[in-house]
Amino acid sequence: AQSVTQLDSQVPVFEEAPVELRCNYSSSVSVYLFWYVQYPNQGLQLLLKYLSGSTLVKGINGFEAEFNKSQTSFHLRKPSVHISDTAEYFCAVSRTGFQKLVFGTGTRLLVSP
Amino acid sequence: EADIYQTPRYLVIGTGKKITLECSQTMGHDKMYWYQQDPGMELHLIHYSYGVNSTEKGDLSSESTVSRIRTEHFPLTLESARPSHTSQYLCASSDREGNTEAFFGQGTRLTVV
Repeated sequence: AQSVTQLDSQVPVFEEAPVELRCNYSSSVSVYLFWYVQYPNQGLQLLLKYLSGSTLVKGINGFEAEFNKSQTSFHLRKPSVHISDTAEYFCAVSRTGFQKLVFGTGTRLLVSP
Repeated sequence: EADIYQTPRYLVIGTGKKITLECSQTMGHDKMYWYQQDPGMELHLIHYSYGVNSTEKGDLSSESTVSRIRTEHFPLTLESARPSHTSQYLCASSDREGNTEAFFGQGTRLTVV
């Protein structure tokens, strides 16, 4: 079975600073990896996904993530955050060929002026 | 813009009542899912469907039931609501291919008093 660990429940950061949200996964089979964002009182929106190929994945809103197979990590980064990036971020994994996503507990990104 | 809709967005209901949470998608997706999300917790898959007349229980045991009579519609029913059912319920869908993203609705926040 797959599992996802997001060690940071909350990450406070100042506007225009860089940020990294950590995600580690465990799986005995090949997986697909995803980052979703959830704004207050909204559903989840896909930020980016890793299926195969280049380990550096670029997503929407200036976010990117790097797949590291040896460290089983898929950390999310943004070089300069905005107030509007304040939201909950979820890392998720699914077995290749399936769409049953397994989610982490989420990281709340708090961007202050 | 994802075309998946959940109604109602918010519901406060008394113990013992029967409720149905609606989920509809206009993308023609074969696969649909229900996730339960408690505050500060990860999303847990409670039901999924790979097509009409196909429903399966997810990883988290739930007293709710689902049906899939039409491709676009995947309602979730609680026969007798209890305070322990208070949570946010998120519906999602994805197409036949296993490597594409899941699109999420905006969720239904259910409170049972």
